[in-house]
Amino acid sequence: AQKVTQAQTEISVVEKEDVTLDCVYETRDTTYYLFWYKQPPSGELVFLIRRNSFDEQNEISGRYSWNFQKSTSSFNFTITASQVVDSAVYFCALSEDNNAGNMLTFGGGTRLMVKP
Amino acid sequence: EAGVAQSPRYKIIEKRQSVAFWCNPISGHATLYWYQQILGQGPKLLIQFQNNGVVDDSQLPKDRFSAERLKGVDSTLKIQPAKLEDSAVYLCASSLGTGTGVGAFFGQGTRLTVV
Repeated sequence: AQKVTQAQTEISVVEKEDVTLDCVYETRDTTYYLFWYKQPPSGELVFLIRRNSFDEQNEISGRYSWNFQKSTSSFNFTITASQVVDSAVYFCALSEDNNAGNMLTFGGGTRLMVKP
Repeated sequence: EAGVAQSPRYKIIEKRQSVAFWCNPISGHATLYWYQQILGQGPKLLIQFQNNGVVDDSQLPKDRFSAERLKGVDSTLKIQPAKLEDSAVYLCASSLGTGTGVGAFFGQGTRLTVV
């Protein structure tokens, strides 16, 4: 069975600091997808990135970057020069590629607080 | 493009009462999901539809929860009777299809409080 662990329940940083959110996953499948979602105080889950298991290239999007390492089953998320608007709960999620569907298994989330 | 619409946004009911939530997915999205998010936890899948058929409902407490997706578009999730532990945010999500790892888009959720 699949499992996602986000060991950091809460992180507090000061604006402009860099911060890394950790995500470790477990799956028996060789084909799977990893996601990060942001949940601001308003409650909706905002899709940030999807990565498939065959693509270990790191990705950068503005101040966001993701480091995928199959060897350690990790998919970490770094925010560079954090801003107050980055304050939210961030969820890492896993989807196994099977014909039964692509349901998401979420980690417990990391609450990020960016202080001015 | 309109997002996933859910209503109501908030609901307070007494235990043993019934409640229903409604979801309208993004147009053209064949797959619809209902997730339950208990405070301080990540969302947990309750049920997944592909068009109007159920793909996975293994985590749906079927003695009290039911869901349907008539005509493969809108969906309703019902709880009857509600228990205190059902207090949570109920999130609806939709995606283009299954088995492709496509990202799901979420609605704002319905926050249910059972007192």
